[in-house]
Amino acid sequence: GNSVTQMEGPVTLSEEAFLTINCTYTATGYPSLFWYVQYPGEGLQLLLKATKADDKGSNKGFEATYRKETTSFHLEKGSVQVSDSAVYFCALSQEIWGAGTKLIIKP
Amino acid sequence: GAVVSQHPSWVICKSGTSVKIECRSLDFQATTMFWYRQFPKQSLMLMATSNEGSKATYEQGVEKDKFLINHASLTLSTLTVTSAHPEDSSFYICSAPRAGRDTDTQYFGPGTRLTVL
Repeated sequence: GNSVTQMEGPVTLSEEAFLTINCTYTATGYPSLFWYVQYPGEGLQLLLKATKADDKGSNKGFEATYRKETTSFHLEKGSVQVSDSAVYFCALSQEIWGAGTKLIIKP
Repeated sequence: GAVVSQHPSWVICKSGTSVKIECRSLDFQATTMFWYRQFPKQSLMLMATSNEGSKATYEQGVEKDKFLINHASLTLSTLTVTSAHPEDSSFYICSAPRAGRDTDTQYFGPGTRLTVL
């Protein structure tokens, strides 16, 4: 069946470091892929999405490319900020969610 | 932006009682709403899909008689945990896509923390 595997956290980085959070999926067909973010004390928010192979979603400096050949949708950001500290979820449609990766950015 | 609210934000109840959680779309209509359960340090688990004017669709393993869902209007869905037990303690989250718009994009409520004593 469909599934999402996300790298375990927490991930701790210094400010301005390069970020990668890995996400791989198993799916039949070509579902949309999503990254959601949950800031401390706030509700989940859509960060970015991609609806078909080779699509790149981007928002707030974050990017992720829907790669069918490697069944991946890794989240990247070139230079993280303290305000990026949050929990990030990779998701495949509404039903299948990764376990979440806590990101901690130290000044 | 699209806003979804939940009420209450937290609730503590005694075992055996029932608890109702409301999910409202404040500035858009939602023919569909989703109810999730989130365990500590774990992913969201979709419990059911709430459909305005019809019966909810429950995911496998979710007891529909225990988790009653009602979607009475285009802006309100309720989840009632009946005869709650300590194992029902969890964080419950609802979400909704805008009706007639990009249905892939969901807007989430802030969640309700349920603690059953």
